[in-house]
Amino acid sequence: DGGITQSPKYLFRKEGQNVTLSCEQNLNHDAMYWYRQDPGQGLRLIYYSQIVNDFQKGDIAEGYSVSREKKESFPLTVTSAQKNPTAFYLCASSMTANYGYTFGSGTRLTVV
Amino acid sequence: SQKIEQNSEALNIQEGKTATLTCNYTNYSPAYLQWYRQDPGRGPVFLLLIRENEKEKRKERLKVTFDTTLKQSLFHITASQPADSATYLCAGGATNKLIFGTGTLLAVQP
Repeated sequence: DGGITQSPKYLFRKEGQNVTLSCEQNLNHDAMYWYRQDPGQGLRLIYYSQIVNDFQKGDIAEGYSVSREKKESFPLTVTSAQKNPTAFYLCASSMTANYGYTFGSGTRLTVV
Repeated sequence: SQKIEQNSEALNIQEGKTATLTCNYTNYSPAYLQWYRQDPGRGPVFLLLIRENEKEKRKERLKVTFDTTLKQSLFHITASQPADSATYLCAGGATNKLIFGTGTLLAVQP
């Protein structure tokens, strides 16, 4: 079955540590995205990539980094520079930007 | 800034009635709008896409409209069921990305 897999589902980290969230898709989609969701707020775009080896900052990129070395994979690193990293992180992919997105099941990151 | 606005108040309706959710956009003109369903603790699931040159789109019990004069999209679920209870997200197309609204929680009472 084609889909998009995020791991882990829950992640706990100490303040000041970097952490990497995994996102893998087998849909052969060119475009991939990372969103952050906080209670009472819409999904906010962190980074997106339209093609391998290329990515662009979204609206809230500060304190985050990504890579896109393979079409299937788009990992997100939450660095210690991110002021408020506790949130629900969603990865998505699409054929192109104007098609419906397929989302993963999310990673809930808690920083203590 | 470009915005997608949805009613933050929950919508409570009786089973069998039609649910209507509203999405307004400001400070830009999206070429298309998308609607997603999100259940608690899960990722959103794509439901429908409507382009600016389309007035209406249907899929089974779902119908979505796009009014460029009112800068609004309406999302209808006919013959609603308790299983339709979820948060529904509207998203507008921008350059190479989507802008999401905060979502509207729909609760269908049996």
